[in-house]
Amino acid sequence: DIQMTQSPSSLSASVGDRVTITCRASQSVTTYLNWYQQKPGTAPRLLIYGASSLQSGVPSRFSGSGSGTTFTLTINSLQPEDFATYYCQQTSNTATFGQGTKVE
Amino acid sequence: QVQLVESGGGVVQPGRSLRVSCVVSGFSLTDYDMNWVRQAPGKGLEWVAHLSYDGNIRYYADSVKGRFTISRDNSKTTVYLQMHSLSGEDTATYFCARASAGLYEAFDVWGQGTMVTVSS
Repeated sequence: DIQMTQSPSSLSASVGDRVTITCRASQSVTTYLNWYQQKPGTAPRLLIYGASSLQSGVPSRFSGSGSGTTFTLTINSLQPEDFATYYCQQTSNTATFGQGTKVE
Repeated sequence: QVQLVESGGGVVQPGRSLRVSCVVSGFSLTDYDMNWVRQAPGKGLEWVAHLSYDGNIRYYADSVKGRFTISRDNSKTTVYLQMHSLSGEDTATYFCARASAGLYEAFDVWGQGTMVTVSS
């Protein structure tokens, strides 16, 4: 099974900050790497698919990069509605989620 | 519009069985792979099961293999997760999610979830 490790597990940020979250896979997932945002009591929301493609309707301040085993999610100019937990997910071999990064 | 609605959650005793359902609308199950994902209280997301668009391929997480079964009905509007031999570790909100092949199999549509509590 492919293991996904996110860092950090949590971070403190302010409105307007640039935030970067890293996700590492235990083996190559090429670009089958997706990012989700989840707010308390709600279902996850797809932000980025294929490592770097922005899902329809997602603000352009969100971006993703990477390939193989190391990936990043960047939020430029953090907005109040961006305080949430973020998960990476590999879909190269079934599916596995990272443990999550809480942005507070 | 595209929508997933789960139901069937509740409180169940350890060792018993439960089936949760996911009714889909706005698309056909014959066009998309479907998945179940669960989230224990205060914890992260755990992928549980996958059913291919043609209904022929099923995958399961090791934690549920042999106990859970994913299926769909012949009308192809409902996906099920049959759960047996439940334990406290299965307590979670269960989400169904659609996977889009054109989006690197990302889960682009999610239901609101149904809570399953395993307790005596």
